[in-house]
Amino acid sequence: EVQVVDSGGGLVQPGGSLRLSCAASGFTFGRFWMDWVRQAPGKGLEWVANIKEDGTEEYYADSVKGRFTISRDNAKNSLYLQMNSLRADDTAVYFCARNRGWFSLDFWGQGTLVTVSS
Amino acid sequence: QSALTQPPSASGSPGQSVTISCTGTSSDVGGYNFVSWYQQHPGKAPKLIIYEVSKRPSGVPDRFSGSKSGNTASLTVSGLQAEDEADYYCASFGGSRVFGGGTKLTVL
Repeated sequence: EVQVVDSGGGLVQPGGSLRLSCAASGFTFGRFWMDWVRQAPGKGLEWVANIKEDGTEEYYADSVKGRFTISRDNAKNSLYLQMNSLRADDTAVYFCARNRGWFSLDFWGQGTLVTVSS
Repeated sequence: QSALTQPPSASGSPGQSVTISCTGTSSDVGGYNFVSWYQQHPGKAPKLIIYEVSKRPSGVPDRFSGSKSGNTASLTVSGLQAEDEADYYCASFGGSRVFGGGTKLTVL
């Protein structure tokens, strides 16, 4: 059974950092692009970043470019999102998702809440 | 990275059909056959229900169908059921990865 489980959220002060993790199982992790998507409270979905199967290409939304870094460890079947210089408008539930190709996200984590507040 | 345009709400009675539109540009919806649709119930993760404009993942009822004309994609839910009440989001591959703003579907 395919599973992705995200974790690492919490309360952080503005300007702070946080690292999210996503543990994958039930499929060959290294054969799929992986994405992070976020959803601010009461708002819609916003794509954040994605990374190629072998980690050699990364893409970011303009809103996080230069502050967030996506990475992966295929040996550990894990995806990460390093978030620096966090702002109040980064407050959201963050989902990791498997990308079956061409931005079709077929398996999602349960989400992890990041709250940026003093 | 402008979001795709969806109506904020839609509704229908049980058994009826409802169609939700998703309008983009020639750089995303109109330029690629890579539109996907997601269903999200409150407090839950989104679920992929349509990919590549009109394909259904295994386990998704055939009451859900997708189509595209020009820069506008559409999701049709036929034979509405109470459990179809949810938020629906479109997404498209393109120059940037974008979602629609979401449509709240109410089953009357």
